[in-house]
Amino acid sequence: EIVMTQSPATLSVSPGERATLSCRASQSVGSNLAWYQQRPGQAPRLLMCGTSTRATGLPARFSGSGSGTEFTLTISSLQSEDFGVYYCQQYSDWPLFTFGPGTTVDIK
Amino acid sequence: EVQLVQSGAEVKKPGESLKISCKGSGYTFTNYWIGWVRQMPGKGLEWMGIIYPGDSDTRYSPSFQGQVTISADKSISTAYLQWSSLKASDTAMYYCARRLFNSGGYGGMDVWGKGTTVTVSS
Repeated sequence: EIVMTQSPATLSVSPGERATLSCRASQSVGSNLAWYQQRPGQAPRLLMCGTSTRATGLPARFSGSGSGTEFTLTISSLQSEDFGVYYCQQYSDWPLFTFGPGTTVDIK
Repeated sequence: EVQLVQSGAEVKKPGESLKISCKGSGYTFTNYWIGWVRQMPGKGLEWMGIIYPGDSDTRYSPSFQGQVTISADKSISTAYLQWSSLKASDTAMYYCARRLFNSGGYGGMDVWGKGTTVTVSS
């Protein structure tokens, strides 16, 4: 099983500042990495696929990068609606698509 | 509009059986994999398994193999997650989600249901 880790566990960022979230895989997943946002009381929402392809309608302030085992989600200028928990998920290891433990983004 | 509509909250006793559902609409249900994800109270997302409604090909995470059954009825565009004997530790939110498939190939889970809360308590 590919184990996903995320850092930091919690990130407090002021509106307008940059947020950088990291995700690491225990073995290479190529570019088969997705990011999700989950706001309290809501279902997860797909943000990014294939490491860096934004979901339809996702603002350009979100960007993804990395490959292999190290990945980053960057929010260039944090908005108030960006708070929530962010999860990465690898979908390289069929059919066991493991999630990371999540990073909580607090609005400072 | 593409959507997955999940069945309502359930409150059950330990040992009881349960089947929750996930109905797809707005797209060709048989052409997309449907996955199930567990979220225990205050915790993260856990991958349970996935089914292809077109031919009912089903795969499980080892952690959930033998603990749950995933099925689908393509005639009514509905996927199911069921338990034969619930435990208190099955208390969680359960999400169904569609696996993305487009010209770029397969991706993550692009459409999610709102979730079904399952509470198991004596």
